[in-house]
Amino acid sequence: NAGVTQTPKFRVLKTGQSMTLLCAQDMNHEYMYWYRQDPGMGLRLIHYSVGEGTTAKGEVPDGYNVSRLKKQNFLLGLESAAPSQTSVYFCASTGQPYNEQFFGPGTRLTVL
Amino acid sequence: KQEVTQIPAALSVPEGENLVLNCSFTDSAIYNLQWFRQDPGKGLTSLLLIQSSQREQTSGRLNASLDKSSGRSTLYIAASQPGDSATYLCAPCCEPMDSSYKLIFGSGTRLLVRP
Repeated sequence: NAGVTQTPKFRVLKTGQSMTLLCAQDMNHEYMYWYRQDPGMGLRLIHYSVGEGTTAKGEVPDGYNVSRLKKQNFLLGLESAAPSQTSVYFCASTGQPYNEQFFGPGTRLTVL
Repeated sequence: KQEVTQIPAALSVPEGENLVLNCSFTDSAIYNLQWFRQDPGKGLTSLLLIQSSQREQTSGRLNASLDKSSGRSTLYIAASQPGDSATYLCAPCCEPMDSSYKLIFGSGTRLLVRP
């Protein structure tokens, strides 16, 4: 089992560019999450999904969109990147509410 | 809104010491609490999950305790080793009426174990 994987590991964008981050899990988990981690602010939830075809907003959703067309994949999109979106992005998944959450290795994004 | 505090923010100990990391949370209505370690530039590795009905959970040299009513959890590391050096994060789940079941993270304790 690969667990939770994220693509890419690093990316540098210019302001206004767009990109998509891919998260994949092979544990047949229903719940998937996108968090961002910033110094001094901990991890904050961007968007989440409770199953294939569903998405919902978290604490800091502005500037991001998501899609969950397949159960194993959760995509995070930035339509027009801004410097404030410079961060480390983590994907996580869990099979059931209240169960252990498993995290991916992260994507380090810099927006110039 | 749930707030999580971890004290101390940083800790440096000599190898072999037993140590305790503290985590406090403001809302005791949690379902469980998860402890993670994060190495520099890496992802989060789950260490222990302790359910709200449990008082303790153990894995090897690690022992986590939970006192839900007082809003506290501790992570005890026995016989620390340089390989234990990392940032340790606690994350209770979940906020009442929140259908995301998201984890609420503290800012972590940065641990350095000196050889």
